[in-house]
Amino acid sequence: AQTVTQSQPEMSVQEAETVTLSCTYDTSESNYYLFWYKQPPSRQMILVIRQEAYKQQNATENRFSVNFQKAAKSFSLKISDSQLGDTAMYFCAFGVSGGYQKVTFGIGTKLQVIP
Amino acid sequence: GAVVSQHPSRVICKSGTSVKIECRSLDFQATTMFWYRQFPKKSLMLMATSNEGSKATYEQGVEKDKFLINHASLTLSTLTVTSAHPEDSSFYICSSLEGAGYGYTFGSGTRLTVV
Repeated sequence: AQTVTQSQPEMSVQEAETVTLSCTYDTSESNYYLFWYKQPPSRQMILVIRQEAYKQQNATENRFSVNFQKAAKSFSLKISDSQLGDTAMYFCAFGVSGGYQKVTFGIGTKLQVIP
Repeated sequence: GAVVSQHPSRVICKSGTSVKIECRSLDFQATTMFWYRQFPKKSLMLMATSNEGSKATYEQGVEKDKFLINHASLTLSTLTVTSAHPEDSSFYICSSLEGAGYGYTFGSGTRLTVV
């Protein structure tokens, strides 16, 4: 079974600053995907970024980037130039490759961007 | 991108009645739909996985007779909460995978309140 751990229940960051959210996972699988999802107050789950485990290059999406350390089973999310709209719950998630496998979510980190 | 339409967004029902929640994939075929329950300020708890044309697979501890899942077509999956009680009040979210590894697309959620 897979586990996803997010050790920061809450974080805050000043607008325009950079913040890093931590995530570690445990698995015996070799082929998998990792995701960061954002859930704003509207509660709509939004995919922020995804990483294929076989790729060594860290994924980036505009102001969002990840630091993927496969050996350490670490998958942190860096948000640059934080904006007020980034205020949300952020969930790290793990999915096994191949077929339509269920996703395992971490407990989430509540991020507050301060004006 | 892939869109999953979920209805209703909010519903209030009386104890003992049944409520149906629908999730439709609008621009792709959803072979598999995942149904989650989310308690306030908590992560998503997978309830069951539905596959088109076959019986749903329920997670341990989820009552399959209370939470009826039907996935009769490639674009529609439904969750029916039968004989609802106040403890069933929660936020229910559906999710599907457009393609392996592309990321999971979520419905907008249904807030169920049982009075």
